[in-house]
Amino acid sequence: GENVEQHPSTLSVQEGDSAVIKCTYSDSASNYFPWYKQELGKRPQLIIDIRSNVGEKKDQRIAVTLNKTAKHFSLHITETQPEDSAVYFCAVPPRGFGNEKLTFGTGTRLTIIP
Amino acid sequence: GAVVSQHPSWVICKSGTSVKIECRSLDFQATTMFWYRQFPKQSLMLMATSNEGSKATYEQGVEKDKFLINHASLTLSTLTVTSAHPEDSSFYICSARGSPGGYTFGSGTRLTVV
Repeated sequence: GENVEQHPSTLSVQEGDSAVIKCTYSDSASNYFPWYKQELGKRPQLIIDIRSNVGEKKDQRIAVTLNKTAKHFSLHITETQPEDSAVYFCAVPPRGFGNEKLTFGTGTRLTIIP
Repeated sequence: GAVVSQHPSWVICKSGTSVKIECRSLDFQATTMFWYRQFPKQSLMLMATSNEGSKATYEQGVEKDKFLINHASLTLSTLTVTSAHPEDSSFYICSARGSPGGYTFGSGTRLTVV
């Protein structure tokens, strides 16, 4: 099955600074890479995703970069705000975007320091 | 957008009893439903995958006789935790495939077994 590693497990960032979270995966056939934000006791929310035919995607303060050769993708949050504090998970479906289960990374607890 | 309604949001039950959790897709047909379990400060771990009208596929280490999954229609899937024990206390969450947006999560059920 897919092996997904996520780093760091915790991250504290001063408000206004940038945060970067990285995930590596094992299945070179994977072609869909979502990032989820989960607040305490709530469902994961998709915040951004990328497909393997592009190297970067941006949505306001959030961006995702993909390096297919190295099999890793990263979440970038710029100009961080207190409401960005949450747990972030990367996920990978083993054989691309289809009726396949998502394997989640171990999560990163992001704390924004006011 | 696609919505999955999950009930109950929380439940407390006595050890040895059974608990049923429901997930309904409100505005789309969920061809596949994934059931996850999340312990405190941990990632989402897939328990099983169910397709409408067929038996669920369980992940290694998940007891199929203890966690009964029924996916009798394209809009309803249920997870029944049978003979619950305190170690089954966790956050259970479903995720449906079939929506235009990809994977749609339910709001989760916090189960506490006393």
